[in-house]
Amino acid sequence: GENVEQHPSTLSVQEGDSAVIKCTYSDSASNYFPWYKQELGKRPQLIIDIRSNVGEKKDQRIAVTLNKTAKHFSLHITETQPEDSAVYFCAASTMGSARQLTFGSGTQLTVLP
Amino acid sequence: NAGVMQNPRHLVRRRGQEARLRCSPMKGHSHVYWYRQLPEEGLKFMVYLQKENIIDESGMPKERFSAEFPKEGPSILRIQQVVRGDSAAYFCASSPPLPTDTQYFGPGTRLTVL
Repeated sequence: GENVEQHPSTLSVQEGDSAVIKCTYSDSASNYFPWYKQELGKRPQLIIDIRSNVGEKKDQRIAVTLNKTAKHFSLHITETQPEDSAVYFCAASTMGSARQLTFGSGTQLTVLP
Repeated sequence: NAGVMQNPRHLVRRRGQEARLRCSPMKGHSHVYWYRQLPEEGLKFMVYLQKENIIDESGMPKERFSAEFPKEGPSILRIQQVVRGDSAAYFCASSPPLPTDTQYFGPGTRLTVL
């Protein structure tokens, strides 16, 4: 089955700096890669996703890049703000019949004011 | 359009009791997924259901756990004879019919087994 690895497990940045979180996946059939933000005690919230026919996607301060050949994808947050502090999870799935999400282990992002 | 609803939000059970967790998907969504999150860990897939059908239960423990999504009413995750290791947050997600794959999560049920 699919295996998703995520690094780093913790990340501290100064407010205004950029943050990058990286994930690798094992199943070449995976073609859908969402990112979720989870605040303490809250539900995971989708912040951005990318499909394998696209190499990069951007939404304001958040961008995701995908390298299918190397089987890795990354989340980039620019101009970080204290409210960006949360745990971020990457995930992978195969669109269509096998729709379960396989999650990475999470990255605790702390934005220092 | 209300989001994914789960109840109860918190559930306390003693060892050996049964736990029933409910999930109502977003309006128009016909696919439901259950995930378990142990403390300070990622989410692990348990089961994927459509109305009256279990599509994929490869993540469900073989014993004591069952799930259903009846024609009418919410999806139910049932844990029989709970043990302390079942203490976790259980999240339900829903998605619309294919080809959309985006999954939206509910607020979760935090199960504590004493």
